[in-house]
Amino acid sequence: SQKIEQNSEALNIQEGKTATLTCNYTNYSPAYLQWYRQDPGRGPVFLLLIRENEKEKRKERLKVTFDTTLKQSLFHITASQPADSATYLCALAVRDMRFGAGTRLTVKP
Amino acid sequence: DAGVIQSPRHEVTEMGQEVTLRCKPISGHDYLFWYRQTMMRGLELLIYFNNNVPIDDSGMPEDRFSAKMPNASFSTLKIQPSEPRDSAVYFCASSPGLGASEQFFGPGTRLTVL
Repeated sequence: SQKIEQNSEALNIQEGKTATLTCNYTNYSPAYLQWYRQDPGRGPVFLLLIRENEKEKRKERLKVTFDTTLKQSLFHITASQPADSATYLCALAVRDMRFGAGTRLTVKP
Repeated sequence: DAGVIQSPRHEVTEMGQEVTLRCKPISGHDYLFWYRQTMMRGLELLIYFNNNVPIDDSGMPEDRFSAKMPNASFSTLKIQPSEPRDSAVYFCASSPGLGASEQFFGPGTRLTVL
């Protein structure tokens, strides 16, 4: 069956450290993979997109990797700040868009 | 642009009642999506439209759910009759395309069915 799994429901890290979130998928062949941020009581907000032929994408303190052999994407936030605390969702662009359940990141000062 | 607009923001109703959720997408976006989010199941795609035409409604849970898009600037998601297990946050999103296009989400409607 098709699955999208994000490494854990919750991740707690100290301010200044790098947060690494994982998105694994099975039985999908996405041409694109997207990452979204969701704050409590709000809709998801787009952060980054990476194509299947791209290994890595960066935007300011964010970095995304995409390994189509491992069927995995890693999402990194460097020099994390308490304001980065939110739920992060990966989404596979297949025929439509399929979202993972999300990882709730808490950055402690 | 004001972004995707959804109404109402909160809805509390009793089991058996009809519920109608509304969405105004971003002007110029050809795609409109309805999602449901719960703690147990995460963000699930219910149905999406392209140029006002429903393309895939395989995510609609039951015949009690229906969605329409009478024009490019308005869509509704209706639940009739509503049940307690329909309690969730319902999001509408719009996008200029599929795949490489980001989706723009509305603030959501929190539905509680008593």
